[in-house]
Amino acid sequence: GQNIDQPTEMTATEGAIVQINCTYQTSGFNGLFWYQQHAGEAPTFLSYNVLDGLEEKGRFSSFLSRSKGYSYLLLKELQMKDSASYLCAVRDGTNAGKSTFGDGTTLTVKP
Amino acid sequence: DGGITQSPKYLFRKEGQNVTLSCEQNLNHDAMYWYRQDPGQGLRLIYYSQIVNDFQKGDIAEGYSVSREKKESFPLTVTSAQKNPTAFYLCATKTRQIDQPQHFGDGTRLSIL
Repeated sequence: GQNIDQPTEMTATEGAIVQINCTYQTSGFNGLFWYQQHAGEAPTFLSYNVLDGLEEKGRFSSFLSRSKGYSYLLLKELQMKDSASYLCAVRDGTNAGKSTFGDGTTLTVKP
Repeated sequence: DGGITQSPKYLFRKEGQNVTLSCEQNLNHDAMYWYRQDPGQGLRLIYYSQIVNDFQKGDIAEGYSVSREKKESFPLTVTSAQKNPTAFYLCATKTRQIDQPQHFGDGTRLSIL
């Protein structure tokens, strides 16, 4: 099975940088996804890591260490609209494309 | 526009009643998924389907049923056996490509009357 841990809540200031961590213990691994979800809305895709290292996409970056079972999402130049829940999801090793989701980290950006 | 349509947006269920949530997609994706999300929690997989006329149970399938008669459609029925159905239900689709993410519909919020 899969076990995924993320902090429940984080608070940061507009313009700052925040790092959201995700640790996982899995019986199989085929990639890790980060999604953003605003309250009452559908999750939207942010990033995908399958190899170790950093993937950068504009203000958002995501890092993966497979040996440590660890990933983080880095958000730079925070904006008020970044206030949302951030979900870490690990894809299992089967061909079904199933992902197990963490409970999400609720980020509040303050002025 | 390509996308995923879930309906209705809000749904109320009476005691002992079965209700069906609709999910339709025109993305031509093979795989479709149903998730349940409770407040402050992540998504839990109810059922998934990789191909027409085939589907598999997820982690919390009890009290739910699905069908996949067409590639575009994957309806979810919440039966009376599901004693705590109040939740936000999300439908997702995905291509066969392993590095591609899931795409989500806007969700259906189900409550008990």
